[in-house]
Amino acid sequence: QQQVKQSPQSLIVQKGGIPIINCAYENTAFDYFPWYQQFPGKGPALLIAIRPDVSEKKEGRFTISFNKSAKQFSLHIMDSQPGDSATYFCAASKRMAGTASKLTFGTGTRLQVTL
Amino acid sequence: ETGVTQTPRHLVMGMTNKKSLKCEQHLGHNAMYWYKQSAKKPLELMFVYSLEERVENNSVPSRFSPECPNSSHLFLHLHTLQPEDSALYLCASSQDHGTASYGYTFGSGTRLTVV
Repeated sequence: QQQVKQSPQSLIVQKGGIPIINCAYENTAFDYFPWYQQFPGKGPALLIAIRPDVSEKKEGRFTISFNKSAKQFSLHIMDSQPGDSATYFCAASKRMAGTASKLTFGTGTRLQVTL
Repeated sequence: ETGVTQTPRHLVMGMTNKKSLKCEQHLGHNAMYWYKQSAKKPLELMFVYSLEERVENNSVPSRFSPECPNSSHLFLHLHTLQPEDSALYLCASSQDHGTASYGYTFGSGTRLTVV
């Protein structure tokens, strides 16, 4: 089953707009919620992350809002630029045996920022 | 070299071939992962290694065989693949910092085409 649900599937905004991508999760054992950005031909790159004891985190133009009771979190991109056009994945992580963590990903949102 | 390096970047193989994908991380991390990324599907976790021991095999067919000879290197051996195995194969690594989960650093992936 899909443990992390992401929407929308695709998004087009004008330069300067604020795209918002939403994710919801089921498993309360998740303890770390990263967002990844992926450009064509590249692997996903960590953009920003949050832990469930925090309701908001900002890094530059990127903000995560986290609602623990609703089991939802979202990514906001302020003053979006054409260079932000990429696919964005939310994820949720929990500890595994040994030193590893298991990341479960959403299905991705393809963002296009137009001039 | 920094980060996570995957070779080859592109691979075309016949269904009867045997090939291997290589991943090397230069980050001093102690966990490594193989993910499969197909079109219109979430990233799928295949294998997890913690301190060079496999801790998860996510119901992956036996035609995929991982190997982790040391904490810096990870291989994925391929044999008698099917066309539906064509995908981007991503390697990632992470570092344990105690009791919490952390995100991964991904390589750029190997684009595999099975003909």
